[in-house]
Amino acid sequence: KAGVTQTPRYLIKTRGQQVTLSCSPISGHRSVSWYQQTPGQGLQFLFEYFSETQRNKGNFPGRFSGRQFSNSRSEMNVSTLELGDSALYLCASSWGPDSEAFFGQGTRLTVV
Amino acid sequence: QQQVKQSPQSLIVQKGGISIINCAYENTAFDYFPWYQQFPGKGPALLIAIRPDVSEKKEGRFTISFNKSAKQFSLHIMDSQPGDSATYFCAASKRNTGKLIFGQGTTLQVKP
Repeated sequence: KAGVTQTPRYLIKTRGQQVTLSCSPISGHRSVSWYQQTPGQGLQFLFEYFSETQRNKGNFPGRFSGRQFSNSRSEMNVSTLELGDSALYLCASSWGPDSEAFFGQGTRLTVV
Repeated sequence: QQQVKQSPQSLIVQKGGISIINCAYENTAFDYFPWYQQFPGKGPALLIAIRPDVSEKKEGRFTISFNKSAKQFSLHIMDSQPGDSATYFCAASKRNTGKLIFGQGTTLQVKP
């Protein structure tokens, strides 16, 4: 059974640009959540989607957005990138909001 | 009220010893407490999880102890092995939110 797949694995972007990250959940999982991991702030919740609806959002600026498609695949977008957005972005999938969450390997975003 | 405090920040244990990592939470609405293991360059992997209706859960060499009245839970790794060297994160979530609140992580080194 394939795990959570995140693409791309690595990205280098320039300040002011925007970026889109993709997440394919484990087959059958309908809940996808996103996290930002940095050495200073640790793992922080960005948002969670279930059946194409954003049900919960963390304390991040509006530059961070996401969506979920009918096949449960999810994308997150960061606009007007800042140096501080450099981080490992992790996607997790689960059957539903109260089920075990399984993480992908993440996308390493570097903003220069 | 959303914080999960994890200690110690780093831990060095001899092979065969017991590794103990502690977490404390404030929000009594939390009802799911997982532990994740993360190796460099990888996403967090679910190790073991507990709900507050039980005080202890054991899976192989890994045991979670849960103290609801003290709002604390801990991970015990018995017979620690060099392959256990990784960063461990505790987390907590409220029912039906799909949002995990993570501790700051503990870097474990098991010396041969």
